[in-house]
Amino acid sequence: DGGITQSPKYLFRKEGQNVTLSCEQNLNHDAMYWYRQDPGQGLRLIYYSQIVNDFQKGDIAEGYSVSREKKESFPLTVTSAQKNPTAFYLCASSSRDRLYEQYFGPGTRLTVT
Amino acid sequence: DQQVKQNSPSLSVQEGRISILNCDYTNSMFDYFLWYKKYPAEGPTFLISISSIKDKNEDGRFTVFLNKSAKHLSLHIVPSQPGDSAVYFCAASPSGTYKYIFGTGTRLKVLA
Repeated sequence: DGGITQSPKYLFRKEGQNVTLSCEQNLNHDAMYWYRQDPGQGLRLIYYSQIVNDFQKGDIAEGYSVSREKKESFPLTVTSAQKNPTAFYLCASSSRDRLYEQYFGPGTRLTVT
Repeated sequence: DQQVKQNSPSLSVQEGRISILNCDYTNSMFDYFLWYKKYPAEGPTFLISISSIKDKNEDGRFTVFLNKSAKHLSLHIVPSQPGDSAVYFCAASPSGTYKYIFGTGTRLKVLA
C-alpha cells in the first residue's frame, strides 16, 4: 500500500527540548512539505523540498529545521526556538507530474508543556 | 493578510440537498485551485481541483466552479450525504511554484 506515514500520532515534550517528527512516503514523490495547523486556522507551510538535498523555507520556518537526505524521508525538527510549538503537524508529498495535488499523512499532534 | 478566505466557518445541510462551500482569493497570480476534505485528527484528502483556464470541473457528486473575475470559487456537493460531514479547505497555488495557500476551512455538517 502506497502512502505517507507520520509517527508518532501524539507526542509530548517539555519546553526547551528539541523534537523531531518523522515523515516517510513510498509514493516515489519528488516533492515533500510540512504544514502546521492551529485551531481555527488554515494549514500554514513550514518547509518544502522539491528534490533530495534541497529544501526551501515556507511562510513560518522560524524555529524549525528539516533535512532531505533520502527521497522518501523528510523529517522536521521543532527546536526550542519555536515560540509556540504545540500544534498539529502535517506532512505531504506530490509527484512531478501532478505537483498541484498533494497527498497528506495522518499528522502528528505535538504538545509542549 | 489572508490571501485565501473561507468566510463561513460552518454550514449545516439536510441529507440529499446541495451543499455549497465558498472560497475567495485576492491574488490574481493564483492559477490552480484545490479542495481538500479533512476529518478530525487525520490529514486532509484531496477532493477536486481546477485550473484557471477552466470555469468548472466535475467529479461525481462534487463540482468546483471558478469565477476568475470575482476571484471566487465554490464547491458543490449534490446530493449531500452524512459521510460528507467534515472540514473542507480550499487552497490556491501561484503559477510555477510549489507553494499552496490554504483557507481556514468550513465545517460541513450533513444532517440525516
